[in-house]
Amino acid sequence: DQQVKQNSPSLSVQEGRISILNCDYTNSMFDYFLWYKKYPAEGPTFLISISSIKDKNEDGRFTVFLNKSAKHLSLHIVPSQPGDSAVYFCAAMRNYQLIWGAGTKLIIKP
Amino acid sequence: DSGVTQTPKHLITATGQRVTLRCSPRSGDLSVYWYQQSLDQGLQFLIQYYNGEERAKGNILERFSAQQFPDLHSELNLSSLELGDSALYFCASSNRTSLDTQYFGPGTRLTVL
Repeated sequence: DQQVKQNSPSLSVQEGRISILNCDYTNSMFDYFLWYKKYPAEGPTFLISISSIKDKNEDGRFTVFLNKSAKHLSLHIVPSQPGDSAVYFCAAMRNYQLIWGAGTKLIIKP
Repeated sequence: DSGVTQTPKHLITATGQRVTLRCSPRSGDLSVYWYQQSLDQGLQFLIQYYNGEERAKGNILERFSAQQFPDLHSELNLSSLELGDSALYFCASSNRTSLDTQYFGPGTRLTVL
């Protein structure tokens, strides 16, 4: 049973445009959500997080939106840059345990 | 550099063998997590240790075991290896007092031939 789903295996976006990565979850008890970025041959790196009591968190070019009623969160990257090309994982936390999505490969086209 | 170190970086072995993967957490982090990432798949949580004690278990096979030592480094032992165990194994650490992030090591790539 996949509690955290990233339904798009890959996404291609033009440099300078907005990248929107989506994530759906099934367990309403998750209390914290995180996005990680992963380059090939490296471990995942924390990007941004949001508490379940909020609906938006912003950090520079990265904004995460949480829609609890829809059990959906999204990561917006504006503007997209070539260095943003990576695999992005959505993760949900409960009791300090992270449940991970399968990842979305983001490709930024020049 | 996340501050989490993992050795070895690559490991090639044969079916039926046993290997040990090692992880040193960030300074001050008490929690260590182990994950497996198979080809084109997300991370699968295996097991968590906190200050030397097992705290949570995920999809860890009985052939696999782990421990965390008094100096807080951790080892993941994989035995009776099968071809399907070939994967990237990541270790992460966190400061349990924070709801925040897990910091990941660079991973160990295990190839079982």
